[in-house]
Amino acid sequence: GQQLNQSPQSMFIQEGEDVSMNCTSSSIFNTWLWYKQDPGEGPVLLIALYKAGELTSNGRLTAQFGITRKDSFLNISASIPSDVGIYFCAGQEAGANNLFFGTGTRLTVIP
Amino acid sequence: GAGVSQSPSNKVTEKGKDVELRCDPISGHTALYWYRQSLGQGLEFLIYFQGNSAPDKSGLPSDRFSAERTGGSVSTLTIQRTQQEDSAVYLCASIRAGGYSEQFFGPGTRLTVL
Repeated sequence: GQQLNQSPQSMFIQEGEDVSMNCTSSSIFNTWLWYKQDPGEGPVLLIALYKAGELTSNGRLTAQFGITRKDSFLNISASIPSDVGIYFCAGQEAGANNLFFGTGTRLTVIP
Repeated sequence: GAGVSQSPSNKVTEKGKDVELRCDPISGHTALYWYRQSLGQGLEFLIYFQGNSAPDKSGLPSDRFSAERTGGSVSTLTIQRTQQEDSAVYLCASIRAGGYSEQFFGPGTRLTVL
């Protein structure tokens, strides 16, 4: 079955630092999505990527769709306390109905 | 409402009982998904509804799990004869029409089977 490897599993950083996390898949995806989940809430979409090589920004967040279509990364610049949460990557194969999710990166920002 | 809503937010049940979880998708969204999230884990796909098409049930873990979507809107996920390993957060998501992949999630129902 499809496997998404997301790393790192957790990160502890100082406020103001930049953060990078990534996902790799065992097969090719047509879509990569990045979500953030706060405790007790559902995941909230941050960035959607549809083309290999695509680099998209959303405020302090930047994500890229790898040219091999098997990987994606998310960068957060100048982290702030409200960036705390769990970040999930998700990918979708061509013609598939569902998303495959990574196991998440738990981010802690130390003020 | 503006977002996906789910009820109840929390459900505690005894092993062997049946439970029903409800999802109200965003108005006008044609596709609806159910996922399960175990503690500290990613999301596990359960079932997908798209319009009037037959649902994709490929993710349901056993025949104790079933789901319906009435009138192309509200969906109910039913778990019969609950087991302790069914304890998890059950998340619903919907997508608007037009081939978009962005799924919008509800807050989830936290199910605890004692």
